[in-house]
Amino acid sequence: QSVLTQPPSASGTPGQRVTISCSGSSSNIGSNTVNWYQQLPGTAPKLLIYNNNQRPSGVPDRFSGSKSGTSASLAISGLQSEDEADYYCAAWDDSLNGRAVFGGGTQLTVL
Amino acid sequence: QLLLQESGPGLVKPSATLSLTCTVSGGSISSSSYYWAWIRQPPGKGLEWIGSIYYSGSPYYNPSLKSRVTISVDTSNNEFSLKLTSVTAADTAVYYCARVSVGDYVEFDHWGQGTLVIVSS
Repeated sequence: QSVLTQPPSASGTPGQRVTISCSGSSSNIGSNTVNWYQQLPGTAPKLLIYNNNQRPSGVPDRFSGSKSGTSASLAISGLQSEDEADYYCAAWDDSLNGRAVFGGGTQLTVL
Repeated sequence: QLLLQESGPGLVKPSATLSLTCTVSGGSISSSSYYWAWIRQPPGKGLEWIGSIYYSGSPYYNPSLKSRVTISVDTSNNEFSLKLTSVTAADTAVYYCARVSVGDYVEFDHWGQGTLVIVSS
C-alpha cells in the first residue's frame, strides 16, 4: 500500500490529452513539493517534473504538472506512442522522522 | 555527462548481507549541491526509497528498512555503497542509485541503469 495514491492504469489515443492523479495527505503533498517520474519499459526512471510544475531540460512542454492541496496531477497533451510508460509521483513525507514516498505508479497505454 | 553505475552480486542467499556500490563518473560526489540515494523496485512493482547520504556522511534511511540498512560514501573513489542485512526473498528487486538535489530530497535527477539482485538459496 503506497503512501501516495495513483490510478493503476490510464489510456488515451494519439493526440489526446491524458491526466494522471496523485493523492496524498497533509504530511506529504500538502506540505512539500511533488515530482513526477517516467519509466519506459526496461529502463530506469527519469525525472519528468520537479517542484510541482517545472520541467527539466529536454522534457517536452507536452508534459505539465500541477498541485492543489493534498493532490497533484500530471497532464500529457498531444499524446504520442512513445509516451507509453509507467508514471510515478513522489514527495517528501514529514511523518516517521521524514522519508521519501512514491505513488504506486500508473501504467499509461497509448491505444 | 554524469553517469552512475551500480555494481555487486546479482544473487544473495537468504539471511546474508546484500552489498552494492554506485560509482559516479562525470561529476564529483563531493558536490555541496547533491545527496546520493538508493532506490529499489521489486519485479513488477513500484519504487521504494531506501536511503540517502551527503558526501560528508550523515545518512538518512527509510524507517521501514532502517534497522537493516547502512549507506556509506567514499569520496576518494567517487562512490557510495549500500549494505542490507538479513535479506529475504522480499528484498529481491532492481536496485538503483541516484543523485538527489539538496533543495528537494525527492528530486532524483540522475539514475543508474539499475542492477537486479535476487535473494535465493
